[in-house]
Amino acid sequence: QQQVKQSPQSLIVQKGGISIINCAYENTAFDYFPWYQQFPGKGPALLIAIRPDVSEKKEGRFTISFNKSAKQFSLHIMDSQPGDSATYFCAASSRTGGSYIPTFGRGTSLIVHP
Amino acid sequence: NAGVTQTPKFQVLKTGQSMTLQCAQDMNHEYMSWYRQDPGMGLRLIHYSVGAGITDQGEVPNGYNVSRSTTEDFPLRLLSAAPSQTSVYFCASTVIGGRQETQYFGPGTRLLVL
Repeated sequence: QQQVKQSPQSLIVQKGGISIINCAYENTAFDYFPWYQQFPGKGPALLIAIRPDVSEKKEGRFTISFNKSAKQFSLHIMDSQPGDSATYFCAASSRTGGSYIPTFGRGTSLIVHP
Repeated sequence: NAGVTQTPKFQVLKTGQSMTLQCAQDMNHEYMSWYRQDPGMGLRLIHYSVGAGITDQGEVPNGYNVSRSTTEDFPLRLLSAAPSQTSVYFCASTVIGGRQETQYFGPGTRLLVL
């Protein structure tokens, strides 16, 4: 059973457009929701993260929207650029038990056309 | 500060062979983990460690062993390689700080089992 469901699997947008990737989770113990960005041939790198006590977090062109009651969160990339073309993973983790190890979604391959 | 390093970068094995994937970090992080990445499956946790001498199983531990004798090193051993273990393997270390938890990933090891 997938604990974190991510959609869409792939996404194509034009330069300057808005890219939106959605994730849903089941475990209400999750209390940390990061997004990771991965370029081909590289390891993932933390992009932005949110805790459930806020509904939105913005860093530059990247925004996380969080809906605790619906157990959903999403990544919005404003003014998408060709350099944003990468695979994006949502994740969720819980401090319960002290492991801090996140569970990842299956990833979204984003292509931004110039 | 090299971050998280992994060796080798690429390996070809025959079915039944054993090998060790090396992972080291120089950031003094207590938490380390191993993931495998397969197309359409995202990042799946194999094993993790919350400190030297402490390891635990993740989502897909079968066929893999780990040990953590020092804070810096977290090797992953394939006992008897199978074609199903063909994948890209990522090691990560996690830093916990305030409201943020960041996983630092290594560059990955591409493994092909024939």
